Amino acid sequence: EVQLVQSGAEVKKPGESLKISCKGSGYSFTSYWIAWVRQMPGKGLEWMAMIYPGNSDTRYSPSLQGQVTISADKSTTTAYLQWSSLKASDTAMYYCARGGSFYDYWGQGILVTVSS
Amino acid sequence: EIVLTQSPGTLSLSPGERATLSCRASQSVTSSSLAWYQQKPGQAGQPPRLLIYGASSRATGIPDRFRGSGSGTDFTLTISRLEPEDFAVYYCQQYASSPWTFGQGTKVEIK
Repeated sequence: EVQLVQSGAEVKKPGESLKISCKGSGYSFTSYWIAWVRQMPGKGLEWMAMIYPGNSDTRYSPSLQGQVTISADKSTTTAYLQWSSLKASDTAMYYCARGGSFYDYWGQGILVTVSS
Repeated sequence: EIVLTQSPGTLSLSPGERATLSCRASQSVTSSSLAWYQQKPGQAGQPPRLLIYGASSRATGIPDRFRGSGSGTDFTLTISRLEPEDFAVYYCQQYASSPWTFGQGTKVEIK
């Protein structure tokens, strides 16, 4: 069974760093892209970035390039999204999803709250 | 980037009725690289579910009352007879041109 299991909810202060995770199982982790999709409170879905764990090829949304970093660890079949300095506007639900085009499996989501 | 505009914003219908959702792209979505997702509101952390890919191919396990159609810049998701579990928010997504983009969503609510 394909599963994407994400790490737990986070509460952070502006300026802090954060790394959230998404562990894939039940499929060949290195053969599928993993994407991160943001959903701000009460809003729609926004594609952020994606990585191909097989060769670490990455793609970013131009609007978010430089603000987040996507990575993956083949040995633990885990993908990551990280921030070096959070802002209040980063408060959102973050989903990981499998696929390089459309997304057939999704993680359960991580609620990130950034507040002073 | 390709902007996807969904209409209507909200659709108020009764169970058993037909729902027609529109997704219009700001430029041609080549190779019918368009997907539809369903997201149940009101439940914290409910991820979207893939319904349709390639504009008209149903994902695994999706009932045949869901039908996708269209090409170029105009796409449609039709739900032939609404079941109680179909009341949700629906998003289209294009993957023809990077960055991939989503529409703003159409909420299908119980009338």
